[in-house]
Amino acid sequence: DAGVIQSPRHEVTEMGQEVTLRCKPISGHDYLFWYRQTMMRGLELLIYFNNNVPIDDSGMPEDRFSAKMPNASFSTLKIQPSEPRDSAVYFCASKPTGTYEQYFGPGTRLTVT
Amino acid sequence: AQKVTQAQTEISVVEKEDVTLDCVYETRDTTYYLFWYKQPPSGELVFLIRRNSFDEQNEISGRYSWNFQKSTSSFNFTITASQVVDSAVYFCALSEALGSAGTASKLTFGTGTRLQVTL
Repeated sequence: DAGVIQSPRHEVTEMGQEVTLRCKPISGHDYLFWYRQTMMRGLELLIYFNNNVPIDDSGMPEDRFSAKMPNASFSTLKIQPSEPRDSAVYFCASKPTGTYEQYFGPGTRLTVT
Repeated sequence: AQKVTQAQTEISVVEKEDVTLDCVYETRDTTYYLFWYKQPPSGELVFLIRRNSFDEQNEISGRYSWNFQKSTSSFNFTITASQVVDSAVYFCALSEALGSAGTASKLTFGTGTRLQVTL
C-alpha cells in the first residue's frame, strides 16, 4: 500500500511568494495532520482534519498560513506571503479513526530566501 | 500540559555496541500512549512502537527493546548490537487518550536524540 504522499519534496522560493504544499493521505485514513519541523522548535502540529473538516488549527502560526482538505484524498497547506522564517520541513501525517499512531509522509523541505 | 524530555541530544557509539535512548514524560492523564519514531538521514519519520499506559510489559522486536516504567515516567529504547543503519534521530512522543468523536489524540514530541553509529 502506498504511504502518505507529499509534493513537492523540495521547494525554494523567494520571500513574498505564495507556496503551496500538497498531501495525499493513506487511503481509508480519515485524520490528516500537518506538522512543521525546525531546529529551534522541533516538531510542531499546525492543524489537523477529520473527515475533511478542520478540527484544530491552534498551531497555525499566523494568517499567512492556511490549509484546506477539499476531499478525502487531498490536502494543501498554503503560505502567502512566504517569509524566510517559514523555512522548515513540513510533514503531513494520517491515521484512521480509533488508532493512535500517525503515519508520516516524506516531508517537504521549504527554503524561503 | 504534556511534556516529553529526551535529555540526550546526541549519542555516538561504535557498531555492535548496545545503546539506550532515554525518554521521560509528564502528563496528568491516567490513560495515555507512548511512541517512538525514527528519522533516518533521508528525512522521513518512521513509526516504531506504541505502548499503552495500562500495559507496562516490556517489548522486544529483534534488536530493539523498550522499557516502560510508570513509576519513573520513563519509556526508554535500547538497541542491541547497533549497526550503522541505526544512525538516525529518534523521537519519543506522548498522546492523551482519544477524545470525543472527531477529535484526535495529539502527539507531543520530544526534541529527539541523534544516534551516530560508526564502524
